[in-house]
Amino acid sequence: DVKVTQSSRYLVKRTGEKVFLECVQDMDHENMFWYRQDPGLGLRLIYFSYDVKMKEKGDIPEGYSVSREKKERFSLILESASTNQTSMYLCASTGQGSEKLFFGSGTQLSVL
Amino acid sequence: EDQVTQSPEALRLQEGESSSLNCSYTVSGLRGLFWYRQDPGKGPEFLFTLYSAGEEKEKERLKATLTKKESFLHITAPKPEDSATYLCAVQAGSGGYQKVTFGTGTKLQVIP
Repeated sequence: DVKVTQSSRYLVKRTGEKVFLECVQDMDHENMFWYRQDPGLGLRLIYFSYDVKMKEKGDIPEGYSVSREKKERFSLILESASTNQTSMYLCASTGQGSEKLFFGSGTQLSVL
Repeated sequence: EDQVTQSPEALRLQEGESSSLNCSYTVSGLRGLFWYRQDPGKGPEFLFTLYSAGEEKEKERLKATLTKKESFLHITAPKPEDSATYLCAVQAGSGGYQKVTFGTGTKLQVIP
């Protein structure tokens, strides 16, 4: 089975801190994604990557950056965390030409 | 702008009581409509992809159908283990997963 692993299940940070969310997939997938999920808003795409060292902005990239130095790892960075970034963050991956997204279990981030 | 609306927001069923979840969408050039299941504290899990009006897909007690404006997820004789949030998503136009729009989900509770 495909496994997408997110490094932290729960995270509590202070306003202004730099935050790193890590995601690793074990199925050699080319495509990786970061979403945030908020009640009443659904999943919204933050950034995605189609290849190593490649990144593209999604619908809500402001306040975020990403890094993909290795094919299996996709990191989401909050340069200076703010309270409105409190959310559930979901990482996903999919193979080339596949429509199935495989999601990690999510990181519930609270920014105080 | 692509839109996905799911109804009802929440549904409570007795075990064995069949029902349907609705996903209505407006999109320019539908490439695919997806159903995912999300259990509490977990990421969404892929269920189905539908590509064209009239198409149907089945998996155990679940059956997904598609028209030009909406999709239904029919649940026949549900069991408590079917309790979850069901998400609908549409992929539109050209491009890959950056064009996927998710609905806010229907939270299903099946009572024994």
